[in-house]
Order: sequence, then C-alpha cells, then structure tokens
Amino acid sequence: GENVEQHPSTLSVQEGDSAVIKCTYSDSASNYFPWYKQELGKRPQLIIDIRSNVGEKKDQRIAVTLNKTAKHFSLHITETQPEDSAVYFCAAHNAGNMLTFGGGTRLMVKP
Amino acid sequence: SAVISQKPSRDICQRGTSLTIQCQVDSQVTMMFWYRQQPGQSLTLIATANQGSEATYESGFVIDKFPISRPNLTFSTLTVSNMSPEDSSIYLCSVLSRGLPDGYTFGSGTRLTVV
Repeated sequence: GENVEQHPSTLSVQEGDSAVIKCTYSDSASNYFPWYKQELGKRPQLIIDIRSNVGEKKDQRIAVTLNKTAKHFSLHITETQPEDSAVYFCAAHNAGNMLTFGGGTRLMVKP
Repeated sequence: SAVISQKPSRDICQRGTSLTIQCQVDSQVTMMFWYRQQPGQSLTLIATANQGSEATYESGFVIDKFPISRPNLTFSTLTVSNMSPEDSSIYLCSVLSRGLPDGYTFGSGTRLTVV
C-alpha cells in the first residue's frame, strides 16, 4: 500500500521567515496531494492541495510543489505568522480512494 | 463542501464497554471514512464505510472490534467495542463529497478516554 513520509517532525522558525515541509510517497498511481493544518483540539482543515497534472500551486502565502518523477511534494509558507503555529499533515490519495497521511510536522512560529 | 456533524464530541468510558459514534452529513456523499488519531500521532484509516454493505477495513482493524454501519448516503456510525485504555484516541469521520474537486472534509472528532 501507499507509504507517506514527512519531514521534519518539528520545525521552529522566527516570525516572518519561511517554512518548508517535505513529503515523499511510494505509490506512483497517487494523483491528489492535500495538505491539512490541525490546531490543538480541532479537526484537520484543508489548506491547499495539488493534482498530479500540476507542478505547483500557490494561494497567498502558501504554495505546494509536486515532483511526480521523484515522488515528492512540499509545502512552502512564506512570511510566517504566530497563527501559522499548528501541526501540518501531508497526504496522498490513490485510485482506490484511500487517503494516506504523513506523520505530521509541528510548526512553531516564534514572535 | 459538505458539513459534518459528529457526536459525541468526547466521552469517558469504562473498560469493557462499547461506544457508538455518529457521523451525519448535510448532503449525500460518495465516500465516508473513519480514522483514528492517537495522542500526538497522525491519522490512520480504520475503514471505508460502504452504503448498504459491509465496511472495508484496513490492516490491523477488524469488524468485531470496530463495527461500522452506513444505512444511507448521509449517515454512518462507528462502534468501539469492548474498550481498553489503548483505545483512547480521537476518532474522526471523513467524507468525499463529489470526488476530488471537493476534496475530503473531516468531522470535528470524538475524543475517547477509556478508564
């Protein structure tokens, strides 16, 4: 089955700096890659996603890149703010309608 | 995207008992799923809830422990049976409304503590 690896597990940045979280996946048939933000005690919220036919997608301060050949995708957050502090999960969706999650990254933005 | 109502939001249960969690969606959805999130961990898929038939369980999860019902396209239940402290987790339902254009939506979760 699909295996999704996520790095780093924790990330601490200064407010205003950029943050990058990387994920790799194993199933070349995976075709949809969402990123979720989970604040303490709350449900995961979709923040951005990318389809396998696209290499990059941007939404204000958040961008995601996908390298299908290498089977990895990354989340980029620019101009980080304290409210960006949360746990971020990447995921990969395959043709069997299964969503497999990475292990999560705890992002801490220091004011 | 779909709006999900999941309940209870939390419960404290005695070991050996069972708890049924409900997931109600405001519209008909293609797929419904149940996840477990152990403390400080990622989300692990328990099973896909199939409308009108038996759920499809992932490796490590069995029907006797986690019976699932999905009587229609808007409702599903997950039961955690014969609970032990190791079952203390957050349980989340998730739906895929109209395929990938809408993506996956999650319920607010049920925080279960077994004592």
